[in-house]
Amino acid sequence: GEDVEQSLFLSVREGDSSVINCTYTDSSSTYLYWYKQEPGAGLQLLTYIFSNMDMKQDQRLTVLLNKKDKHLSLRIADTQTGDSAIYFCAESYTGTASKLTFGTGTRLQVTL
Amino acid sequence: EAGVAQSPRYKIIEKRQSVAFWCNPISGHATLYWYQQILGQGPKLLIQFQNNGVVDDSQLPKDRFSAERLKGVDSTLKIQPAKLEDSAVYLCASSRGTVGYEQYFGPGTRLTVT
Repeated sequence: GEDVEQSLFLSVREGDSSVINCTYTDSSSTYLYWYKQEPGAGLQLLTYIFSNMDMKQDQRLTVLLNKKDKHLSLRIADTQTGDSAIYFCAESYTGTASKLTFGTGTRLQVTL
Repeated sequence: EAGVAQSPRYKIIEKRQSVAFWCNPISGHATLYWYQQILGQGPKLLIQFQNNGVVDDSQLPKDRFSAERLKGVDSTLKIQPAKLEDSAVYLCASSRGTVGYEQYFGPGTRLTVT
């Protein structure tokens, strides 16, 4: 079945690195995503990774995928106060439908 | 390019009343999704349209929820009658196609059922 889990809360100091973790159970996942949600706003796609990749880097963001352990992480370098938000990982798989299955979200709090 | 538009942004109704939400996707996007996000949880797909046809409505409570996408553009999601547990944010998203295309999300409609 499909199940995506995340820790609920992470607090980091401005300038430090943040690492947000996610585990998933669907081994047929093809794409894995990281979304950001700010208060009162919709979801913004930050980055995604194909299931046949181990790592993807995009400016301050680094995504690591351990397919054997079904573990996905998002590292944000030099975390800023503007990074404070809820971060969701999501998975989808190749098929006639392309629904996203989201985790519960991790609230990132950046302190001065 | 304009984003996904949703209205209203907020709605408060009493249980057993009916309510409708409207979504206007990004121009040219064939695929439209409705998600329900309960407070403290991630969004859950309710229904997916490809043009004006339904691709996946397996998690739509069909006894009270209905959705349509006439002419393959705008979409409406209706709840009749509403229950307390329907209190949530209803997110609309659209994409150019299905697999491998980015989904763009609207700001959502926050529904409170009292």
